Amino acid sequence: DGGITQSPKYLFRKEGQNVTLSCEQNLNHDAMYWYRQDPGQGLRLIYYSQIVNDFQKGDIAEGYSVSREKKESFPLTVTSAQKNPTAFYLCASSIINNYGYTFGSGTRLTVV
Amino acid sequence: AQRVTQPEKLLSVFKGAPVELKCNYSYSGSPELFWYVQYSRQRLQLLLRHISRESIKGFTADLNKGETSFHLKKPFAQEEDSAMYYCALEDNAGNMLTFGGGTRLMVKP
Repeated sequence: DGGITQSPKYLFRKEGQNVTLSCEQNLNHDAMYWYRQDPGQGLRLIYYSQIVNDFQKGDIAEGYSVSREKKESFPLTVTSAQKNPTAFYLCASSIINNYGYTFGSGTRLTVV
Repeated sequence: AQRVTQPEKLLSVFKGAPVELKCNYSYSGSPELFWYVQYSRQRLQLLLRHISRESIKGFTADLNKGETSFHLKKPFAQEEDSAMYYCALEDNAGNMLTFGGGTRLMVKP
């Protein structure tokens, strides 16, 4: 069953800690993306990657880091430098120039 | 830089009424536009894309380059259409989508 899997579904973080959100896809998609979803602000792009070992900053990359060591995986680390990390995080993947994303089910991160 | 604007955060209509969710964009190139939908407790998913000129679940959207708009329309709303709708624009440089702020559609019985 092909798809894109995000884990965990809920994540709690203490202030000052780094946390890593997992995103795995078995769709053989080249491109992967991380978005942050906040009420009233839609989806804002954090990072994206179109090929292994390469990634680009999106509109709100500060305080986040990513890696793309494998085609299937694109983990996102929310660092302590991110001032307002509490949000819903969505991962997506696509075939380049195929006009459509497949989204994961999301991870809700809460800072406690 | 491209920008997508959805002026209505919430749209509430009665079942059977026509629906129009507004989307305006700014982009210097030739845009590729999409509508995505997120039903309650489900993943965000593609609803339709303008290049396909298709009708999905009774929804259509026409690209108006003169008005830089891509409004989503349905002649008769159903309760199951209640969801969050996002308009999105793809740039020509890569495969990156820029999303609007979203409109929550509520269809009342």
